[in-house]
Amino acid sequence: DVKVTQSSRYLVKRTGEKVFLECVQDMDHENMFWYRQDPGLGLRLIYFSYDVKMKEKGDIPEGYSVSREKKERFSLILESASTNQTSMYLCASSTGLAGGDNEQFFGPGTRLTVL
Amino acid sequence: DQQVKQNSPSLSVQEGRISILNCDYTNSMFDYFLWYKKYPAEGPTFLISISSIKDKNEDGRFTVFLNKSAKHLSLHIVPSQPGDSAVYFCAATTGANSKLTFGKGITLSVRP
Repeated sequence: DVKVTQSSRYLVKRTGEKVFLECVQDMDHENMFWYRQDPGLGLRLIYFSYDVKMKEKGDIPEGYSVSREKKERFSLILESASTNQTSMYLCASSTGLAGGDNEQFFGPGTRLTVL
Repeated sequence: DQQVKQNSPSLSVQEGRISILNCDYTNSMFDYFLWYKKYPAEGPTFLISISSIKDKNEDGRFTVFLNKSAKHLSLHIVPSQPGDSAVYFCAATTGANSKLTFGKGITLSVRP
């Protein structure tokens, strides 16, 4: 059974703190993604990675960075958390095969609140 | 610029009836489309997909229709069940890479 896990389901941080969100997949997938979901805005792509140590900006990368040191792990970093980063963060992974039938598997999400 | 649009934020349907969820797109390079379902406090799960070379794909109670000339697709759920109540996201990709572009989602409520 495919599995994407995220380190925390709920997280509360203070403005200015550095925040790490961890994601691990056990499917040996090449691709990993970080999204945030906000009411009325859907899923917006923050960063993605096609391979170890490789990263590409998504649609809303400002205020975030990522790290992929190992194939199975993709970390999202908020260098200095702000209240407008309060959101649901979703990690996903998929195989590296080209083509449309490349389903992304999602983790359960981390609800981050920045006070 | 929103490339995948789900213009109706919500839909309410009686149990047993048909649910029709609509999605429009603007990027003519999209050639594969997916629907995801999301319950509160859970990650989205894949539901059904369709390639641009087809106009229909069916999986049990779920059917997706694609009208390429209109850049429109729809998800039909027949018959609708209370357990189908969730947020449904339409997504599209060019197929050249694995990046998906999502719509804003539509909240489906199925009334018993």
